[in-house]
Amino acid sequence: QSALTQPASVSGSPGQSITISCTGTSSDIGYYNYVYWYQQHPGKAPTLMIFEVSNRPPGVSNRFSGSKSGNTASLTISGLQADDEADYYCSSYATSRTWVFGGGTKVTVL
Amino acid sequence: QLQLQESGPGLVKPSETLSLTCTVAGDSISSTNHYWGWIRQPPGKGLEWIGSIYYSGNTYYNPSLKSRVTISVDTSKNQFSLQLRSVIAADTAVYYCARHKGQILTGYSIWGQGTMVTVSS
Repeated sequence: QSALTQPASVSGSPGQSITISCTGTSSDIGYYNYVYWYQQHPGKAPTLMIFEVSNRPPGVSNRFSGSKSGNTASLTISGLQADDEADYYCSSYATSRTWVFGGGTKVTVL
Repeated sequence: QLQLQESGPGLVKPSETLSLTCTVAGDSISSTNHYWGWIRQPPGKGLEWIGSIYYSGNTYYNPSLKSRVTISVDTSKNQFSLQLRSVIAADTAVYYCARHKGQILTGYSIWGQGTMVTVSS
């Protein structure tokens, strides 16, 4: 069970759009549409931002969107705001009946 | 409103057993079609899935931890628990309990605030 691969950091200016990639294998992201994205501010618990590849829970801004192609999922944040500065983690269900997380991406708003 | 609260010792000695409990408020563990789970995060590092349980007792574990982990449920107390045996310094982490959005294939929709556990003599 290997962790999903995310870039360590991504940055952008207010108002810009950024995309975070999350690369897995044909046993997790490539096999299931159970890809989740979480936002984590320093010292806080993660909160759900995207579920099942591209769905937003109630209360999550439509500036957050998710997609998937092959073994890679992506999270796009449009109209970047200061409060978007946080760590973001992807996660996927895997064929071994386990869950795997990405290593996390630190988003910096310049 | 659903709330999850982790509790347990903040300091555990090497080779001993780490024991944590998650108390669920605002929902019944046994009346909903949800799995419940544990995730941890070492200081300055990423998230690691530990395992998940259904109210019936059905469990799934991270293969890398399976030999040392037991997750159990007490429906009468509306709690589920984590035991991690033979702990080492690398088990030092913030431990979160969380509720799956539904069955085991679904991810976590609600998280507890987390509890820091340090392994040290």
